[in-house]
Amino acid sequence: EAGVAQSPRYKIIEKRQSVAFWCNPISGHATLYWYQQILGQGPKLLIQFQNNGVVDDSQLPKDRFSAERLKGVDSTLKIQPAKLEDSAVYLCASSAPLAGSSGANVLTFGAGSRLTVL
Amino acid sequence: AQRVTQPEKLLSVFKGAPVELKCNYSYSGSPELFWYVQYSRQRLQLLLRHISRESIKGFTADLNKGETSFHLKKPFAQEEDSAMYYCALSFFQGGSEKLVFGKGTKLTVNP
Repeated sequence: EAGVAQSPRYKIIEKRQSVAFWCNPISGHATLYWYQQILGQGPKLLIQFQNNGVVDDSQLPKDRFSAERLKGVDSTLKIQPAKLEDSAVYLCASSAPLAGSSGANVLTFGAGSRLTVL
Repeated sequence: AQRVTQPEKLLSVFKGAPVELKCNYSYSGSPELFWYVQYSRQRLQLLLRHISRESIKGFTADLNKGETSFHLKKPFAQEEDSAMYYCALSFFQGGSEKLVFGKGTKLTVNP
């Protein structure tokens, strides 16, 4: 199966500019996640979608970050205006229950979009 | 609050030596724990999950609820095991499933 696709892979912008990241999850995966991974830290969940509805955006800085998942498939994450501290890798992941398996879903990650804010 | 702690940021061993990557969690309910791994220039991917109780690439991890730990072990480390390892805790909150990651441990296996 095709993996989780993300673009762009790299982006360099100046502070106060805007940026958008795109994610195409694995076909059929209902749950989509955006994580922020700052250098030296583990991934931190920004927002989680179930189909096209938001189930958790408690850690999303809503004054500057927004995300949408129209039609329950692709998703975009936008930052406007960007700050220096937004420099990070933005990871998209998707998941679905494993057939015949119980327990929590396993996430499949994209390659990430590395953002540098100057 | 739910939390995952990986006390070692860096871990260096020699090839053939045993390795243990520590993970402790904080969660009052019934946890589900995972180890994810990121090899150089590759994507973050699942290594193993505690409910599977299987060995992957020679690695095992046992959930110890008494010590709230889920340490990752391998008896004989190989150079190709060098990577970033993240412990993760899955739990249900507010009707949805959450996944929280630790800060990761960078394992280097020297020849």
